[in-house]
Amino acid sequence: DVKVTQSSRYLVKRTGEKVFLECVQDMDHENMFWYRQDPGLGLRLIYFSYDVKMKEKGDIPEGYSVSREKKERFSLILESASTNQTSMYLCASSLVGAQNSPLHFGNGTRLTVT
Amino acid sequence: QQQVKQSPQSLIVQKGGISIINCAYENTAFDYFPWYQQFPGKGPALLIAIRPDVSEKKEGRFTISFNKSAKQFSLHIMDSQPGDSATYFCAARPASGTGGFKTIFGAGTRLFVKA
Repeated sequence: DVKVTQSSRYLVKRTGEKVFLECVQDMDHENMFWYRQDPGLGLRLIYFSYDVKMKEKGDIPEGYSVSREKKERFSLILESASTNQTSMYLCASSLVGAQNSPLHFGNGTRLTVT
Repeated sequence: QQQVKQSPQSLIVQKGGISIINCAYENTAFDYFPWYQQFPGKGPALLIAIRPDVSEKKEGRFTISFNKSAKQFSLHIMDSQPGDSATYFCAARPASGTGGFKTIFGAGTRLFVKA
């Protein structure tokens, strides 16, 4: 079974802090993703990466950056946290080249910015 | 901009009943339509998926119906059980290019099955 592990279950940060959300997958997947989940809005893609050191913007990248230095690890960075970034953050991975490759999600990090 | 519209937002069904969740999409470039199931405290997990070249796919009590001309697809849960109580997301993904990485999700439906 694919395991996607997010390092923190809950985080509370102050406005203006730099925040790091870490994600590790153990199935050698090429693709990794960061989504945020908000009630009534579903899941929205922030950034994705299809290879080490490669990254692409998703639909809502503003205020975020990412880092992928190793294949198994994908980090989401909030350069200066704001209250509107309070949300559930979900990391996911998938295989490249598999036509119907599903997303495998971690259990999420609930971030509160005060 | 919501490219996949999902309804209803919430649904209460009696045990043994049929749960139906509907989704509509706009982008005809979508070619993969998965449904994800999410339990409290967990990430979403793939439940069932369909491609637009078939009109129906069934896996156990779960069936996807797909209407390509209407750009609609739906999830039917037969003989709904309390253990099916969860949030369900429909989704769609384009075929190729960087769009092929961008799975678009509906807003979600919270299903509660009464015992």
